[in-house]
Amino acid sequence: DSGVTQTPKHLITATGQRVTLRCSPRSGDLSVYWYQQSLDQGLQFLIHYYNGEERAKGNILERFSAQQFPDLHSELNLSSLELGDSALYFCASSRSGTGRNQPQHFGDGTRLSIL
Amino acid sequence: DAKTTQPNSMESNEEEPVHLPCNHSTISGTDYIHWYRQLPSQGPEYVIHGLTSNVNNRMASLAIAEDRKSSTLILHRATLRDAAVYYCILRDSITDKLIFGTGTRLQVFP
Repeated sequence: DSGVTQTPKHLITATGQRVTLRCSPRSGDLSVYWYQQSLDQGLQFLIHYYNGEERAKGNILERFSAQQFPDLHSELNLSSLELGDSALYFCASSRSGTGRNQPQHFGDGTRLSIL
Repeated sequence: DAKTTQPNSMESNEEEPVHLPCNHSTISGTDYIHWYRQLPSQGPEYVIHGLTSNVNNRMASLAIAEDRKSSTLILHRATLRDAAVYYCILRDSITDKLIFGTGTRLQVFP
């Protein structure tokens, strides 16, 4: 158990809809990262928040947005969903905002299926 | 972003040592080498990391070449539970993101 909690575990919805994925980081971790894993693209970094502030953006679509709340949990919002958004979405957390020697701890992911 | 090159797949028998290679010829002086693994139906799991010296922890050992252009993850005694995709990652020094390649799929046979 990594200590990172993601909900829901599975989500099935239709094209054009909007969903929210939730992540609770490990106790004491200030950074939250979101990654997307699809069959054709592999694991890709989406966005990083540290203590409520956005720190870095990766290959995140404009239809996607995220935020980190004062209690440090984070939400990833996906809107105008397309079939290609079907993927596993992982959240990871780490102790601080920078530091190349700090491991990231991953949750078990949310599997999003678009019908 | 500096890239890594790993074999697509490797096989091992249970209780034998496994050496997983990684090439990273474009590594910069400040890049750390991290290894993660992903077991089936789970999120990635941190294994080990290092900068220049060899490193050991309860899960594995990391051997880093003197010129830092390659490294090897060593599992001393493979178990069935070690069957996973292993990712060698150069940690981005600016944004702290992890850049995953395709990894090495390790199969362990009883």
